[in-house]
Amino acid sequence: AQSVTQPDIHITVSEGASLELRCNYSYGATPYLFWYVQSPGQGLQLLLKYFSGDTLVQGIKGFEAEFKRSQSSFNLRKPSVHWSDAAEYFCAVGLPFSGGGADGLTFGKGTHLIIQP
Amino acid sequence: NAGVTQTPKFRILKIGQSMTLQCTQDMNHNYMYWYRQDPGMGLKLIYYSVGAGITDKGEVPNGYNVSRSTTEDFPLRLELAAPSQTSVYFCASSKDRNYGYTFGSGTRLTVV
Repeated sequence: AQSVTQPDIHITVSEGASLELRCNYSYGATPYLFWYVQSPGQGLQLLLKYFSGDTLVQGIKGFEAEFKRSQSSFNLRKPSVHWSDAAEYFCAVGLPFSGGGADGLTFGKGTHLIIQP
Repeated sequence: NAGVTQTPKFRILKIGQSMTLQCTQDMNHNYMYWYRQDPGMGLKLIYYSVGAGITDKGEVPNGYNVSRSTTEDFPLRLELAAPSQTSVYFCASSKDRNYGYTFGSGTRLTVV
C-alpha cells in the first residue's frame, strides 16, 4: 500500500522568507500527487496537483511543488510567505489506477506552518 | 455555487446513541468520500462511493455505514457511538478518482 511522510510536524518561518515543506511517498510507481491547505476550522483546499509531464507544478496562492522521482519527493515551496499562509498543509497521493484495495487519496499527517512577524 | 455542504457543523453524542452526518454536493460529481481527521494523524478514509448505488469501505470503516441513493447525497451513519469516534469528519467529492477533491467544512463530533 502507498504511504506518505511529512517529516516536519511544525515549521516556523518569518514573514517574507521563503518556505519549503517536505513530502516523501512510498509507492512502486509514480502516483498522482497533491498538496492541500487547511485553515483553522475549515475544510481542505487543493493547492496543486501533479499527474505527469513537467515536474515543476504551479498552484494557487503563489505556491509551487517539484516532483523528484529519484527522491520519491514532492516538496512544496513559496518564495515569500505572508501571515495569511499560516495553516496546516497536507500532502496526498493517489493511485494512477483503480483496484487492489480501497480507492481514495492517502494523506500525510500534515505540517503546521507558523508565520513569525 | 455551494460545493460540498455538511451538516451539522457540531454535535455532541452520548455513548450508544446513533446519528447521521449529512453530505450534499451540487457539482454532479460521481466520486464521494468520507474521511475522519484526528489530531496529528492526518485524514483516514472511512467509506467512498464511485456513483449512485455503489459504496465501498476505506481504511477505517468499523462503526460506520453509508448509502448513496442519489448522485448528490452521501450520508454517513454512526451506530452505537463510542468515544473512539470523537473526531472531525470531512466529506469530499471529485469529478474523477484523481481529479482533486472538493471538501466540505467538516462536522466536529464529540462522543461522551
